[in-house]
Amino acid sequence: GAGVSQSPSNKVTEKGKDVELRCDPISGHTALYWYRQSLGQGLEFLIYFQGNSAPDKSGLPSDRFSAERTGGSVSTLTIQRTQQEDSAVYLCASSSRGRQSYEQYFGPGTRLTVT
Amino acid sequence: SQQGEEDPQALSIQEGENATMNCSYKTSINNLQWYRQNSGRGLVHLILIRSNEREKHSGRLRVTLDTSKKSSSLLITASRAADTASYFCATDAYGNNRLAFGKGNQVVVIP
Repeated sequence: GAGVSQSPSNKVTEKGKDVELRCDPISGHTALYWYRQSLGQGLEFLIYFQGNSAPDKSGLPSDRFSAERTGGSVSTLTIQRTQQEDSAVYLCASSSRGRQSYEQYFGPGTRLTVT
Repeated sequence: SQQGEEDPQALSIQEGENATMNCSYKTSINNLQWYRQNSGRGLVHLILIRSNEREKHSGRLRVTLDTSKKSSSLLITASRAADTASYFCATDAYGNNRLAFGKGNQVVVIP
């Protein structure tokens, strides 16, 4: 079946604008994760969804960041009033199990550039 | 430093040679995973080793885990140009809902 998809693949926005990034996980995967990767850096955890449980938002860097997951499937990461330091690749991953004892499947990412 | 931190190095090797990279971490883990990333985009899972395992093989990959030293190594044997990528280790710590990724190792295999 299809893998994790993300859209858009690239997004250029002006400082102060809001952006929405979308993630379509693998069908049937109950766990969904958002990460951020700055140039040449590792992955920074942002948020984790598991089924109908309350999401783990502890990695969100500020209150300008929020995420939703509708119907246990598609997720949207929203960044309000974007800043230049928000420029990064935003990666989404899904997993078939709730625990991270199992591998995560990553999407191709959205490259966000804030000018 | 964060969980799952590789020796921050860039490896440049000739095709056919072996590539070894290391990862260290600080707290108790449930398992450790290695991922590959091409061209700064999505990561691909390579191998998972559980805390009660010491060594694991998958094709040309060999992973070791030393929980007493809190370290792991990834060996790629008989490297190919297609192995050129960044390699990340990630740790799954008990009680966390997340994987902690290191900064990655850049490997360049010269044909």
